[in-house]
Amino acid sequence: DVKVTQSSRYLVKRTGEKVFLECVQDMDHENMFWYRQDPGLGLRLIYFSYDVKMKEKGDIPEGYSVSREKKERFSLILESASTNQTSMYLCASWTLYTGQGAIDTEAFFGQGTRLTVV
Amino acid sequence: AQKVTQAQTEISVVEKEDVTLDCVYETRDTTYYLFWYKQPPSGELVFLIRRNSFDEQNEISGRYSWNFQKSTSSFNFTITASQVVDSAVYFCALSGLDRLNAGNNRKLIWGLGTSLAVNP
Repeated sequence: DVKVTQSSRYLVKRTGEKVFLECVQDMDHENMFWYRQDPGLGLRLIYFSYDVKMKEKGDIPEGYSVSREKKERFSLILESASTNQTSMYLCASWTLYTGQGAIDTEAFFGQGTRLTVV
Repeated sequence: AQKVTQAQTEISVVEKEDVTLDCVYETRDTTYYLFWYKQPPSGELVFLIRRNSFDEQNEISGRYSWNFQKSTSSFNFTITASQVVDSAVYFCALSGLDRLNAGNNRKLIWGLGTSLAVNP
């Protein structure tokens, strides 16, 4: 019954390292998202993708990049990890079409990756 | 602009009490969706309900009920006879259908969440 899987539950990295967070979904959803969650700040959107090789910046893209080479996989990349990127990272996927025959679903989330940068 | 406000940061109740979590939203879209998610201590967000802006019927699912009022732009969530297992952070979210800007309809606007503690 697994729908969205994040590659790691806990991760500890050193400052300056390049970090890859992987997310895979098995629901054939077009849209995938990366959020970070910090106490008191809720969920903040980093990047999202609405198709293979397409990406759009969210609210806090600085210091991050993403890759969507296949529909089911959306990777978040920390180019040079810093301590202020210590956070919980959540991946989500969903489908919502406009126009004729609109189809909608709820967003499905992975279990989260708690990243600590030391 | 789209915005979701969950004014209650933390709520603490005793088991079996009823509790209502407030959600107020802002949007200029005529068609939109509202959501509630639960995040237990394990961390994964769990979908609870989706409501279409054209459907103002209230919904009940077991001990959970939702009150959607477009006139006040609110989508409140009530837990009846709360239990310890209800302890979690609850998020309200909004997504609009923006036919002029395709990027907007794929994003969820989140409230900051309400942390509910149900004590035995």
